[in-house]
Amino acid sequence: EAQVTQNPRYLITVTGKKLTVTCSQNMNHEYMSWYRQDPGLGLRQIYYSMNVEVTDKGDVPEGYKVSRKEKRNFPLILESPSPNQTSLYFCASSFRVSYNSPLHFGNGTRLTVT
Amino acid sequence: QKEVEQNSGPLSVPEGAIASLNCTYSDRGSQSFFWYRQYSGKSPELIMSIYSNGDKEDGRFTAQLNKASQYVSLLIRDSQPSDSATYLCASTSGTYKYIFGTGTRLKVLA
Repeated sequence: EAQVTQNPRYLITVTGKKLTVTCSQNMNHEYMSWYRQDPGLGLRQIYYSMNVEVTDKGDVPEGYKVSRKEKRNFPLILESPSPNQTSLYFCASSFRVSYNSPLHFGNGTRLTVT
Repeated sequence: QKEVEQNSGPLSVPEGAIASLNCTYSDRGSQSFFWYRQYSGKSPELIMSIYSNGDKEDGRFTAQLNKASQYVSLLIRDSQPSDSATYLCASTSGTYKYIFGTGTRLKVLA
């Protein structure tokens, strides 16, 4: 089944404790992206990747890191989480950002930082 | 700043009616448009894509695109309570981004 898989689904952590949220897609997509979603603010892009070893900042990159060493994986790293990073996070992928190429979303990760 | 705008709602319609959801975009270079449905706490799910002016129908859903007016709409016929969700409009342009609206919350009243 074609899908984007995120793990974990739920995560509660404390301020300053490094964490990684994994994202993997099995559709051979070139484009991958991370979003956070907060009430009233919609989807905000954190980072995106056009292909292996090619990443760039989105609208809200502060406090996050990403890497794209393999085409299928695009982990999101919070090196020192803070309470304002409590949010619902989505990983998404598409064949490429072009005509006729919609984003496919993972199931989401609900992160709580205390 | 390139934007996609939607009325946040809620848009309330009775069961069986047609729900009309609207979206405007600022970037004339936008080429592709997508409608997603999102239930509370769940991930966005693609409903329709549209790339050319005019209408595109898929079951109970019809997407309409008017590039001259920079306007995209989604019609849901025979609305059901299970259609109650937030509907996100998104576009792509020449930049390496998908631009999302903040969504319209639809409530279908039984």
